[in-house]
Amino acid sequence: DTAVSQTPKYLVTQMGNDKSIKCEQNLGHDTMYWYKQDSKKFLKIMFSYNNKELIINETVPNRFSPKSPDKAHLNLHINSLELGDSAVYFCASSQDGPGFQYFGPGTRLTVT
Amino acid sequence: QKEVEQDPGPLSVPEGAIVSLNCTYSNSAFQYFMWYRQYSRKGPELLMYTYSSGNKEDGRFTAQVDKSSKYISLFIRDSQPSDSATYLCAMGGNTGKLIFGQGTTLQVKP
Repeated sequence: DTAVSQTPKYLVTQMGNDKSIKCEQNLGHDTMYWYKQDSKKFLKIMFSYNNKELIINETVPNRFSPKSPDKAHLNLHINSLELGDSAVYFCASSQDGPGFQYFGPGTRLTVT
Repeated sequence: QKEVEQDPGPLSVPEGAIVSLNCTYSNSAFQYFMWYRQYSRKGPELLMYTYSSGNKEDGRFTAQVDKSSKYISLFIRDSQPSDSATYLCAMGGNTGKLIFGQGTTLQVKP
């Protein structure tokens, strides 16, 4: 009965490939987020969706495209992967405002 | 200058010590303040949430917010080895997004 789940947990791929990360939450929350955590542990928001509508779109390369098929799912597709995309990507969800966020376990992406 | 500054540490203390973790910020529009705990290779989990200046206590944890100084703190009393983790401060305003500090790595030695 995991609250926020992500697949896969680990992703190793070569430069230039396209990959997707999936996120699902069973908390009934309306808002979902994607974060990137770099090697220095900085956690930075990338996107936020509320009821399938994009509400936050930070300055990220347009190689990154989020998709929310329904309010329980938020996927992240990355085209033409680069070395600098190597990081841990976290999905999160919230209901009672952005302060109360529940995070998934993360997807560790390594681009070689 | 970053919006939120947090000393990354690492901070190493003996078991039973009082731990003080701090963040400063520059954006006076921040209205709510959080502390998240992140164990190695796990996602962050919300530890403390405060909306205004003052103190909030929850068990061994006390969160303190001083809006006039733009300074927030987390105190851990009687620290335990299980408290060893990275502690991230986070804050937000009416933009709907959280800004995180870099995180402070804490090690509590038995």
